[in-house]
Amino acid sequence: DAGVIQSPRHEVTEMGQEVTLRCKPISGHNSLFWYRQTMMRGLELLIYFNNNVPIDDSGMPEDRFSAKMPNASFSTLKIQPSEPRDSAVYFCASSHPQRGISTDTQYFGPGTRLTVL
Amino acid sequence: AQSVTQPDIHITVSEGASLELRCNYSYGATPYLFWYVQSPGQGLQLLLKYFSGDTLVQGIKGFEAEFKRSQSSFNLRKPSVHWSDAAEYFCAVGGNNDMRFGAGTRLTVKP
Repeated sequence: DAGVIQSPRHEVTEMGQEVTLRCKPISGHNSLFWYRQTMMRGLELLIYFNNNVPIDDSGMPEDRFSAKMPNASFSTLKIQPSEPRDSAVYFCASSHPQRGISTDTQYFGPGTRLTVL
Repeated sequence: AQSVTQPDIHITVSEGASLELRCNYSYGATPYLFWYVQSPGQGLQLLLKYFSGDTLVQGIKGFEAEFKRSQSSFNLRKPSVHWSDAAEYFCAVGGNNDMRFGAGTRLTVKP
């Protein structure tokens, strides 16, 4: 099992540019989560999907952020336009729901370190 | 909504010494409790979890945690720390169809 795959691992871009982060969940997992980690705010849940449908996007900071899950094996998180304050590590996680988000173990990818200059 | 507090931002212990990382939660019902570990440059990995039953839970890598309802705590322990345990540790609480992570405790291990 390859685990959760994220790409790219590092991204450096300039303010105003569009950034797309990609995630491939573990096969058979039908819940997917996007998190952002910063020193100041810790680990924040941005959005999560269940069966490819966004369930809770209340953590998405603003309209510049969008996420999609076109199929069970792929999700993207897009930032357009990017700003320096978006610099963070973005994690994708997946789980195989048995009882719900409150109880299921989440399997995290290695993260994408985003730097916006 | 539930919340989690990890009072210690950074802890340093000597290799071979015992370790206890603190976690306090706030939740009106019986919580689901987790400890995750994040090694440098990697994602989080589950160490252990508590749902019900025996309040002392054993996890991977020799870690254990004890649920104390009266203290709203779920502290992580290890009797003898190894240098490879240096990492960041996150406590999480599940409930209300939600999962909340603490701010994390960074563990440094001295030789």
